[in-house]
Amino acid sequence: GEDVEQSLFLSVREGDSSVINCTYTDSSSTYLYWYKQEPGAGLQLLTYIFSNMDMKQDQRLTVLLNKKDKHLSLRIADTQTGDSAIYFCADLWETGANNLFFGTGTRLTVIP
Amino acid sequence: DTGVSQNPRHKITKRGQNVTFRCDPISEHNRLYWYRQTLGQGPEFLTYFQNEAQLEKSRLLSDRFSAERPKGSFSTLEIQRTEQGDSAMYLCASSLTSGRKETQYFGPGTRLLVL
Repeated sequence: GEDVEQSLFLSVREGDSSVINCTYTDSSSTYLYWYKQEPGAGLQLLTYIFSNMDMKQDQRLTVLLNKKDKHLSLRIADTQTGDSAIYFCADLWETGANNLFFGTGTRLTVIP
Repeated sequence: DTGVSQNPRHKITKRGQNVTFRCDPISEHNRLYWYRQTLGQGPEFLTYFQNEAQLEKSRLLSDRFSAERPKGSFSTLEIQRTEQGDSAMYLCASSLTSGRKETQYFGPGTRLLVL
């Protein structure tokens, strides 16, 4: 199988940048994803990165991928209270069912 | 709204009862996935369909669980003789495969509570 790990909690002040980190073990990963989950809701796809990229920027979101260290990060610029949620890193397990392997999620709290 | 929809959104049942959940994927998406999410955890894969064929089942999917996607569109997940350990959020996702790229879009989930 695959192991995806994230830190559990992160608190930032409104207006600051947030950086959420993730490590994974599958060296054959081609796509890695970030999803956002608000309380009681399903998962919202935020962004993804293909493994031949080091960085991807999408408005306030920047994804950095260090394939050698199997480390993925999501940076949220100018964090707002509406960004408070749980953020999941996910790895596409192509050697299996093409299912996603998720980390345990990082709960981001934005302090006004 | 053309996203993934799931019904019901919440279900409370007594231990031993059967329950059935429905998922309507984004139209024309050929793949449909079921995941289970317990409190404080990330979603875990249960099973997936490519069109109407069920191609993979996780070892998490005990014999009491069955899933169907009869016409390659909507899917149902049935749990027979529910147990308290089945209490979780059941998430459905769909995708349209394009080469190696796979982007799964999730529904709002069905939250099951077994008393």
